[in-house]
This record gives sequence, structure tokens and C-alpha cells, in this order.
Amino acid sequence: TQLLEQSPQFLSIQEGENLTVYCNSSSVFSSLQWYRQEPGEGPVLLVTVVTGGEVKKLKRLTFQFGDARKDSSLHITAAQPGDTGLYLCAGVTEGDYKLSFGAGTTVTVRA
Amino acid sequence: ETGVTQTPRHLVMGMTNKKSLKCEQHLGHNAMYWYKQSAKKPLELMFVYSLEERVENNSVPSRFSPECPNSSHLFLHLHTLQPEDSALYLCASSLRRDRGYTIYFGEGSWLTVV
Repeated sequence: TQLLEQSPQFLSIQEGENLTVYCNSSSVFSSLQWYRQEPGEGPVLLVTVVTGGEVKKLKRLTFQFGDARKDSSLHITAAQPGDTGLYLCAGVTEGDYKLSFGAGTTVTVRA
Repeated sequence: ETGVTQTPRHLVMGMTNKKSLKCEQHLGHNAMYWYKQSAKKPLELMFVYSLEERVENNSVPSRFSPECPNSSHLFLHLHTLQPEDSALYLCASSLRRDRGYTIYFGEGSWLTVV
């Protein structure tokens, strides 16, 4: 069982549409990160959130950390083919400071 | 350029060979990690070094042998691997593992065992 559950597992949308990816857990995290990974490459850090309720924006990407620091979401507005990739969430659990990864969401944006 | 460099990017080796993967970080971090990523499986943490001391070894077979000579370099020595060990091996680094740390990945080393 994954400590961090990501949904959906796969997402295929048309260019210009919006999408949201979710990362959920029953554990509390002291920080949570989102990464994007393209085939054959390492994951690239998009954002780190540390405060419950925090919202961060990176151009067309909006990241939210839940108030209880147990979940997070990534919203992409007007998706483009360049947004295609595997999106991974990762969290550092409070107390033991161990980093866990979700299984990832594969996003495909069709031109 | 992420500040974490892995070599080689691609490696093909026979089951009787001995090879090594190298990782170097230029971020001033003091913790380094090896992860394994296989097709359709989540990232698997293999080893963690903090201040050059191995602090985690997640039941990795002895045919994988890590080495961390200093806080900037990490190696993964490979010998008598099996075909199921074929995967993307990712190195990562971070500042000390306390509240809110973030890890940064290298580009990965694709390993194929034949």
C-alpha cells in the first residue's frame, strides 16, 4: 500500500483543456513536493509546499497543500503538449522525516 | 541542469560483468540517495547516505554495493546482476534530512542487463 495515493493514474486530454491531479494520504507531511518526469529523464522539481492551506502558482500550474497537510492537488490551466509527462508527488512525513513517493499520474496532452 | 550529474547515462552489461554508476552533486548538499525506477512501478528507494554515512538500506541485494567517499560523490557498484535489474537508476541529493527537505534528482542512468 502506497503512503501517498495519486489519482488518476492516467489522464489524456486535448490541448487547451484544464486538468487536476490529486495526491492523498492519511499521514501528515511536513513538506510535499511535486515533480514532472519525461521519458528517460530524471524527475524535475516543480514546487515544494510546507504550510497547510498554502497555494503556489507556477505559470499555468497551481499547487495546493491541504489545510491538514495530508493532501495536495496540482491544477493545470489550458494544458499544452509540453505539459505531457509523469507527475509525481512526494512527501516528508512529520516526525520520522522519511520521504515517500506516490506512484505517479501519467498526463498526455494531445495537440 | 539540475546540479546532480549522473554517468553513464546508458549502460548495457552482461550478467557476469562488474560496472559502476557515478553521481556527483554541485548543490552543497549533505545527503545522497539511490533510487530504482522500473517500468510501471513506483520509485524504489535503495540507499541513503547522510554526511557520508549509510543511514538506509532498503533490503537491496548485495549485488548492488554503494559507496560515498565524500558528500559530493556517490557510486553504485554493480556485479553479477540479473535481467530483472534492468531499470532507470536515479541519484538524488538534499540538505540534511530534517523538516521540509527537498530532494533533487539527476537525469538517471539507464541500465540494461543482458
